[in-house]
Amino acid sequence: GENVEQHPSTLSVQEGDSAVIKCTYSDSASNYFPWYKQELGKRPQLIIDIRSNVGEKKDQRIAVTLNKTAKHFSLHITETQPEDSAVYFCAATPSGGFKTIFGAGTRLFVKA
Amino acid sequence: EADIYQTPRYLVIGTGKKITLECSQTMGHDKMYWYQQDPGMELHLIHYSYGVNSTEKGDLSSESTVSRIRTEHFPLTLESARPSHTSQYLCASSESRGYNEWQFFGPGTRLTVL
Repeated sequence: GENVEQHPSTLSVQEGDSAVIKCTYSDSASNYFPWYKQELGKRPQLIIDIRSNVGEKKDQRIAVTLNKTAKHFSLHITETQPEDSAVYFCAATPSGGFKTIFGAGTRLFVKA
Repeated sequence: EADIYQTPRYLVIGTGKKITLECSQTMGHDKMYWYQQDPGMELHLIHYSYGVNSTEKGDLSSESTVSRIRTEHFPLTLESARPSHTSQYLCASSESRGYNEWQFFGPGTRLTVL
């Protein structure tokens, strides 16, 4: 079946460094790619998203890139802060929004 | 306030009990979902619904059932709880409007089956 692979599963960075999380999807019909952040004990929340007709999107310290040909998309966090520590999930949704597929998650630790 | 609500937030029950986890959203979303998630781990889709009277099983084999009689309400029922059901259950909803169909999650129900 369709799937989304996410790497790495765990990422530890020093405060102020950048963090990059990468995802690969299999369903070529996917055209919407949201990213969710889940802090300890809380619900996943949307932090940024990108559509297939856009190659890059930025919102302050976070950015997403999409390579449709390679079926890759990535989350970039610059100037990381301790409050960025959380689990991050990528996801891919085909046209019509049927059954979003989530990646397995990346646990990000930002060391002060 | 538009939100998605789950009750109870915590539940400890004995093996063999029947339980219903409640989920309600006040955003008028047509699609709703149930996920099982061990803390901080992968999200496993167990049921979803595209609208009233529409329900589908997800990827994770589950001994639970769902119903969607009203747009805002999507309860999950376990007929006979087992220790293997111990986990967190997250309800989510989304709106079908163009491409941007992100899911809005509820706070979750943490279930412990003894």
